[in-house]
Amino acid sequence: DSGVTQTPKHLITATGQRVTLRCSPRSGDLSVYWYQQSLDQGLQFLIQYYNGEERAKGNILERFSAQQFPDLHSELNLSSLELGDSALYFCASSVGQGANTGELFFGEGSRLTVL
Amino acid sequence: ILNVEQSPQSLHVQEGDSTNFTCSFPSSNFYALHWYRWETAKSPEALFVMTLNGDEKKKGRISATLNTKEGYSYLYIKGSQPEDSATYLCAFRLWGETSGSRLTFGEGTQLTVNP
Repeated sequence: DSGVTQTPKHLITATGQRVTLRCSPRSGDLSVYWYQQSLDQGLQFLIQYYNGEERAKGNILERFSAQQFPDLHSELNLSSLELGDSALYFCASSVGQGANTGELFFGEGSRLTVL
Repeated sequence: ILNVEQSPQSLHVQEGDSTNFTCSFPSSNFYALHWYRWETAKSPEALFVMTLNGDEKKKGRISATLNTKEGYSYLYIKGSQPEDSATYLCAFRLWGETSGSRLTFGEGTQLTVNP
């Protein structure tokens, strides 16, 4: 158990819909990262927050947004869903701002299926 | 665009065999190299975080080396066991990367150890 909690574990929805994925980082970790793993692709970085502020942005679509709340949990909002958004979405946390300060601790992922 | 390449993509070995994989990354502006182990239906777990050229790290039967000048890292598994079956991911971070603290992941090496 990494200490990172993601909900829901599985989600099935239709095209055009909007979903919210939730992540609670390990106790004491200030950084939260979101990654997407699509079929036959590696982990693609989406976005990072540190203590409530956005720190880094990857190839995140404009239809996607995220935020980190004062209690440090984070939400990833996916809207106008398309079939290609079906993927496993991972949240990870780390102590500091930079990934170099230590390893990332991953949640178990949220598997999104868009029909 | 950062390119982190891992080889081979997949590997099948017999129990007791020793094996190694390669991770190649850009050699300029290096900051850190991470190795993660990802078992099926679980989340990635950190094995090593390496920052210095010539670093060698060991955890049980698994060890890793780092060459930042030529841009590669090797992961070695001595006397492979069926429980070593997993996907091994490496991830790279640049120094002074203006886009923040992202880790860029390779696509992984999938190891299967046959009893």
